[in-house]
Amino acid sequence: RKEVEQDPGPFNVPEGATVAFNCTYSNSASQSFFWYRQDCRKEPKLLMSVYSSGNEDGRFTAQLNRASQYISLLIRDSKLSDSATYLCVVKPGGSYIPTFGRGTSLIVHP
Amino acid sequence: EAGVAQSPRYKIIEKRQSVAFWCNPISGHATLYWYQQILGQGPKLLIQFQNNGVVDDSQLPKDRFSAERLKGVDSTLKIQPAKLEDSAVYLCASSLTLLAVTSTDTQYFGPGTRLTVL
Repeated sequence: RKEVEQDPGPFNVPEGATVAFNCTYSNSASQSFFWYRQDCRKEPKLLMSVYSSGNEDGRFTAQLNRASQYISLLIRDSKLSDSATYLCVVKPGGSYIPTFGRGTSLIVHP
Repeated sequence: EAGVAQSPRYKIIEKRQSVAFWCNPISGHATLYWYQQILGQGPKLLIQFQNNGVVDDSQLPKDRFSAERLKGVDSTLKIQPAKLEDSAVYLCASSLTLLAVTSTDTQYFGPGTRLTVL
């Protein structure tokens, strides 16, 4: 089993839709979780960190489920500009080594 | 604030040739990372430096890849000799500290070097 798994998609949604992605991780000692966004042929950029209590940033909501070992990203009211690949990143506790998932591709169409 | 700089942006070589990539991190960032991103996959960490010391290089193919950060600032990644499967984007990133778990202390990526091995 891979350390960090994501459904590669693509998720194809109309503007205004709500879409959610999950990311599962295998190391139960994982402590730090992040979502990065990567536009086509560009570098990844931090979208948001994922806190134990869940957190929200505008239209984006991230949640952590430790019992089932997954994190999620919810995007409400999708915009065309949200089209990108969303990468999940996990760090085990006591480790500084980040592990990236393969990413989930989102395409928002008019 | 200047971002992470990388050069060259593109490189095409034949298999068995050598190639080197350069990275200049954000000023003041102690931690530097080199990733390999193959098309359709997420970035894979090759090596992580803290100042001029290696934190982790467990996924670096040491028979052909080498990296250094001699003065704790710039870094170079070398491949010698290159194989077809080395075709990928090589991303350099830096962070203020090893922790890199906050919005201000997080990884910032450079634009990458796209390597094609023929």
